[in-house]
Amino acid sequence: NAGVTQTPKFQVLKTGQSMTLQCAQDMNHEYMSWYRQDPGMGLRLIHYSVGAGITDQGEVPNGYNVSRSTTEDFPLRLLSAAPSQTSVYFCASSSAAGGEQPQHFGDGTRLSIL
Amino acid sequence: ILNVEQSPQSLHVQEGDSTNFTCSFPSSNFYALHWYRWETAKSPEALFVMTLNGDEKKKGRISATLNTKEGYSYLYIKGSQPEDSATYLCAPEGGGNKLTFGTGTQLKVEL
Repeated sequence: NAGVTQTPKFQVLKTGQSMTLQCAQDMNHEYMSWYRQDPGMGLRLIHYSVGAGITDQGEVPNGYNVSRSTTEDFPLRLLSAAPSQTSVYFCASSSAAGGEQPQHFGDGTRLSIL
Repeated sequence: ILNVEQSPQSLHVQEGDSTNFTCSFPSSNFYALHWYRWETAKSPEALFVMTLNGDEKKKGRISATLNTKEGYSYLYIKGSQPEDSATYLCAPEGGGNKLTFGTGTQLKVEL
């Protein structure tokens, strides 16, 4: 069982570059989300989606775009990377947009912006 | 955005000790309370999703309770083992299945 797959695992970018972090799940989950993890802070929600074609902003959306063209995929785009976006990024999915279901996390992408 | 506090921030116990930690959050506007276990170099793994009916949840030596009126949850570990060493995260669930995570309690179980 693949679960939630994130690629790449590591990436180094220069300031101003753009890139897409990939997230795919094979559990037919409706709900998907992106978090960032920074030292001394809890996981913070960037963007989320309750189903294909529907996305919404979380707590820290600035500088990031998402789309949800299929149930399986939920890519996160950094439009113009900034050093403040250096972080570990986690994608998660769960089975019901109505809630009360555990979220399944990917292994994370460690991103450094120089 | 919910303000979620977890205490203590870190905890060192001896193997065999029982321990507990706290998650507190605003008592209104949440639909469930999640607990996750996060081992170093791995991804968070769900322990419990506690619904508003307040039932205690149990998985092996780990259990959790939820007080919905006062907005707190306790996680208990009975007879701690070295493999219990991890960071334990709590997250109340708001509308749209959105989770707001606390900063976690880092548990270290020593032999």
